Amino acid sequence: EIVLTQSPDTLSLSPGERATLSCRASQSVGSSYFGWYQQKPGQAPRLLIYSASSRATGIPDRFSGSGSGTDFTLTINRLEPEDFAVYYCQHYGSSYTFGQGTKLEIK
Amino acid sequence: EVQLVQSGAELKKPGESLKISCKGSGYSFTSYWIGWVRQVPGKGLEWMGMIYPGDSETRYSPSFQGQVTISADKSISTAHLQWSSLKASDTAMYYCARLSGPLDFWGQGTLVTVSS
Repeated sequence: EIVLTQSPDTLSLSPGERATLSCRASQSVGSSYFGWYQQKPGQAPRLLIYSASSRATGIPDRFSGSGSGTDFTLTINRLEPEDFAVYYCQHYGSSYTFGQGTKLEIK
Repeated sequence: EVQLVQSGAELKKPGESLKISCKGSGYSFTSYWIGWVRQVPGKGLEWMGMIYPGDSETRYSPSFQGQVTISADKSISTAHLQWSSLKASDTAMYYCARLSGPLDFWGQGTLVTVSS
């Protein structure tokens, strides 16, 4: 089973700054089968990025994904107040696994 | 508009059975897998398993195999998650989601509380 490890667990930044969130897989995964989700308190998760770098419908272009193999990154440029949330990476396809999450909090 | 609407919150006692539902609309329900995700309060997302309503093929995460049953009734575009004997450790929010590869549409969640 593929294990996804996100870092850091918590990231403290100010609005306007850039956030860089990482996700490392225990073995190589196809970039076509990798995604990122955002979850705000009291809400269901929302798909942000699929196939490692494609933005889901309606997702602002300040969100971008990159990576391949075992290392993937979610970058959020020019943080807006509504971006402070928990972010999860996910491998999907042959098996489904979530990372443990990174909490992006206001500094 | 694609929508997944889940049944309401449940308060149950240990040992009781439960079946929660997820009704899809706005798309061809039989053409997409539906997955279930558990979230214990204050914790992360856990993949439970999925079903293809077209033929009811079901796949479970090893962690949940034998612990829950996933089913679907395509005649009413509804997927179900059920327990035969709840435990306090089943207390969590449960989400259903449509799979188009990634989980592109999610239900609002069903909170299940198991307490004596």
